[in-house]
Amino acid sequence: EAGVVQSPRYKIIEKKQPVAFWCNPISGHNTLYWYLQNLGQGPELLIRYENEEAVDDSQLPKDRFSAERLKGVDSTLKIQPAELGDSAVYLCASSAGQAGDEQYFGPGTRLTVT
Amino acid sequence: DQQVKQNSPSLSVQEGRISILNCDYTNSMFDYFLWYKKYPAEGPTFLISISSIKDKNEDGRFTVFLNKSAKHLSLHIVPSQPGDSAVYFCAASWVNNQGGKLIFGQGTELSVKP
Repeated sequence: EAGVVQSPRYKIIEKKQPVAFWCNPISGHNTLYWYLQNLGQGPELLIRYENEEAVDDSQLPKDRFSAERLKGVDSTLKIQPAELGDSAVYLCASSAGQAGDEQYFGPGTRLTVT
Repeated sequence: DQQVKQNSPSLSVQEGRISILNCDYTNSMFDYFLWYKKYPAEGPTFLISISSIKDKNEDGRFTVFLNKSAKHLSLHIVPSQPGDSAVYFCAASWVNNQGGKLIFGQGTELSVKP
C-alpha cells in the first residue's frame, strides 16, 4: 500500500514569493491534515479536512496561507507571500477518519525562505 | 502554552540497555496518547498508543506507561538497539471532542550506541 505522498520534498524561494505544496493521502483515507514543524519542535496542526470540508482551520494564518482539498482526495497548501519565518517542514498526514485512528505522515516538504 | 512537554531534548543509551523517554501534559481532557518515531528526512511514524483507561500498553520491546494523576507518560524500550536511534515525539488527543487532533511534544532525540 502506498503511503502519503508529498511534493516537492524541498523548496527554496525568496521572501514575498508564492509557494505551493501538494499532498496525496493514502487511498480511502477521508481525513487529511497539514502540520507545520519548526526546527526542534513537534508538528503543529494547521488544518484538518474531513473529505473536502475543512473542519478545523483555527491555526491556519489565513492572511497568507490557504488550502484546498478538491474532490476530497489530494490537497494543496499555499503560502502567498512567503516570509522568512515560514521556513519549516510542512507535513501532510491522513487517517481513516474514525476518532483515535492512527495518522500516517508523509515525508514532508522542507521550505527555505531566503 | 505547551500542553505536551518533553523536557529532555536528547538521550544517549548503550545498546542492550533500557531507554526511558518521558512526557508530561497539562490538559486533563486528553484521553488518548501516542508515541511517534521520526528518522531524518522522513515523516513521523506511529509507534505505540495508550488510552486513558489503561496505565500500561506493551508491544514487543516497547512499553508505554501512563500516570494520570501525575499527568505523565513514559516510553520504555528494552533492549535498546542502534536502529532505535531517532527522534521520539509523544502526542495527546481528545478523541471524543476534537476528531483525533494531535498535540505534539517537542521531541527527544534518542541515540543508541553500539
